[in-house]
Amino acid sequence: NAGVTQTPKFQVLKTGQSMTLQCAQDMNHEYMSWYRQDPGMGLRLIHYSVGAGITDQGEVPNGYNVSRSTTEDFPLRLLSAAPSQTSVYFCASSYRAGVSDGYTFGSGTRLTVV
Amino acid sequence: GENVEQHPSTLSVQEGDSAVIKCTYSDSASNYFPWYKQELGKGPQLIIDIRSNVGEKKDQRIAVTLNKTAKHFSLHITETQPEDSAVYFCAASRRGGSYIPTFGRGTSLIVHP
Repeated sequence: NAGVTQTPKFQVLKTGQSMTLQCAQDMNHEYMSWYRQDPGMGLRLIHYSVGAGITDQGEVPNGYNVSRSTTEDFPLRLLSAAPSQTSVYFCASSYRAGVSDGYTFGSGTRLTVV
Repeated sequence: GENVEQHPSTLSVQEGDSAVIKCTYSDSASNYFPWYKQELGKGPQLIIDIRSNVGEKKDQRIAVTLNKTAKHFSLHITETQPEDSAVYFCAASRRGGSYIPTFGRGTSLIVHP
């Protein structure tokens, strides 16, 4: 049981480049979310999904795109990378928000935009 | 929407002392309150949670208390050890529905040997 798998672990992008952060879970969880973590700012919600085919914006969605074609996968796309998107990104999943055992987080992707 | 305030932002204690981290929430409909521990270079990990029908929950050296009237909840760690050093996050959400948890900004706990 792998839990939540994020790839890559580290990435350096040039301003204007695009890329996709991958997230996969093997627990048949309905809910998946993307957070970014910046010093002193805690965990800020970017986008979330309550099931396959359903996504919604969180607190800081600008510059990011998501889709949820399967229960297992929830990729995060950076459309045109900016230095302000330098951060650590976490994907998380739960059976249902707040119902069972809280969130299971991935190990994170550290992104630097130069 | 829900707003979760967490204090202190940094907490430094000596090994063996107790540590207390406090959170307040704004939405009276919130009824599920998890706590996460994030070690350096890793993702947050759920360590304990409490539901609104319970006032206190213990698991070995950690405990969480909830005061629904005052809308605050706290994490208590007794007999702290160096391996307790980490960032701790509280969160609040509703069970069921599509309500996504709101996180506090985190507390960096440092336990000095």
